[in-house]
Amino acid sequence: SYVLTQPSSVSVAPGQTARITCGGNKIGSKSVHWYQQKPGQAPVLVVYDDSDRPSGIPERFSGSNSGNPATLTISRVEAGDEADYYCQVWDESVDNVVFGGGTKLTVL
Amino acid sequence: QVQLQESGPGLVKPSETLSLTCTVSGGSMSSYYWSWFRQAPGKGLEWIGYTYYMGSTKYNPSLKSRVAISVDTSKKQFSLRVNSVTAADTAVYYCARRLILTGHTDVSWFDPWGQGTLVTVSS
Repeated sequence: SYVLTQPSSVSVAPGQTARITCGGNKIGSKSVHWYQQKPGQAPVLVVYDDSDRPSGIPERFSGSNSGNPATLTISRVEAGDEADYYCQVWDESVDNVVFGGGTKLTVL
Repeated sequence: QVQLQESGPGLVKPSETLSLTCTVSGGSMSSYYWSWFRQAPGKGLEWIGYTYYMGSTKYNPSLKSRVAISVDTSKKQFSLRVNSVTAADTAVYYCARRLILTGHTDVSWFDPWGQGTLVTVSS
């Protein structure tokens, strides 16, 4: 089955740029989606189809997938961005939704 | 906008059946897929399965033998049943709407999500 690999944690100072990676076999050929999950809350979609943002998501959140890995970039990080971030793809070989293990973003 | 709300028992005994319902408000169920996920304490997200509004379903192969998802559009609800539960089924269960890129069924994401409901399996 398809495996997505994320770093377990990323730390960044306020105002700096955070980059969270998502690696997988030939991930550039897949469409990657990203979710933010704050403690005790449900996941929220922040990027879909590699680089599109849902309405209401700040422009500070951006995604790219031009190879391995795919990347979620958060510019001008704020304390409120502290959360777990998950990448997700569809594994068409077995018709299964696949999530990465999640990355805990800490704002120093 | 569309909102989802899970409901159901918070405690289920081992070997029994877990049953949850997700109620959709603020929009139509038509033309969409509706999905269930779960998250064990301190763990990541796991997809359980989804149903089309017309009733066809697809499940995570690892859970397929024990789960069933059904839909009742007249009530604007869809439901999850998990049979023969064990402590490993203890988790927060979420419902969500599946969205698909037009013409690309292999490109799908989930938005919005319900707030989630904790189900504990214990005697």
